[in-house]
Amino acid sequence: SAVISQKPSRDICQRGTSLTIQCQVDSQVTMMFWYRQQPGQSLTLIATANQGSEATYESGFVIDKFPISRPNLTFSTLTVSNMSPEDSSIYLCSVTTGGNEQYFGPGTRLTVT
Amino acid sequence: EDQVTQSPEALRLQEGESSSLNCSYTVSGLRGLFWYRQDPGKGPEFLFTLYSAGEEKEKERLKATLTKKESFLHITAPKPEDSATYLCAVFGGGADGLTFGKGTHLIIQP
Repeated sequence: SAVISQKPSRDICQRGTSLTIQCQVDSQVTMMFWYRQQPGQSLTLIATANQGSEATYESGFVIDKFPISRPNLTFSTLTVSNMSPEDSSIYLCSVTTGGNEQYFGPGTRLTVT
Repeated sequence: EDQVTQSPEALRLQEGESSSLNCSYTVSGLRGLFWYRQDPGKGPEFLFTLYSAGEEKEKERLKATLTKKESFLHITAPKPEDSATYLCAVFGGGADGLTFGKGTHLIIQP
């Protein structure tokens, strides 16, 4: 398994602004993932972030809205840009550690007013 | 497109009352089915991975089983601390990430 931390744990932001969420892992991992969990909905994959390459985005998510950085094997950031109330959600970072299992961070609860 | 449907959406049990949660799935080339537990305000906590039909895994009061179309999470003699949302997810096809169901919100009353 892996110990994953996220910052901030929660934030309240104004419409039109941007927020960068950090994800830190206690060991080197190849694959990191960013998910969104909207109220009452299932987790939805936003993108896969591999070190040394561009992030791969799922259908419905674009780099201009959700730019991702992956500078090394233990860290990644997700930015939510030009936010609207529809972006209010929990954003979760996850990693794999060799097998197919994914381990999740505690999440960042974002509220956009 | 991979799909996961969980039922029931919510379940309220008395302490000690055993039951099962259902996860139906469609996926091209299953590479794993996962069960997670999620407590309010926290990220999902990994419970089990199942890879092939007929496989079973157990942990304390929980047992997960898998067929070619669905998985069950059996909860035996549950306690109030088992109250949580239980999520099912599949890994398959050409995807890198998991496809999740909406979860079953389980409440165990003392």
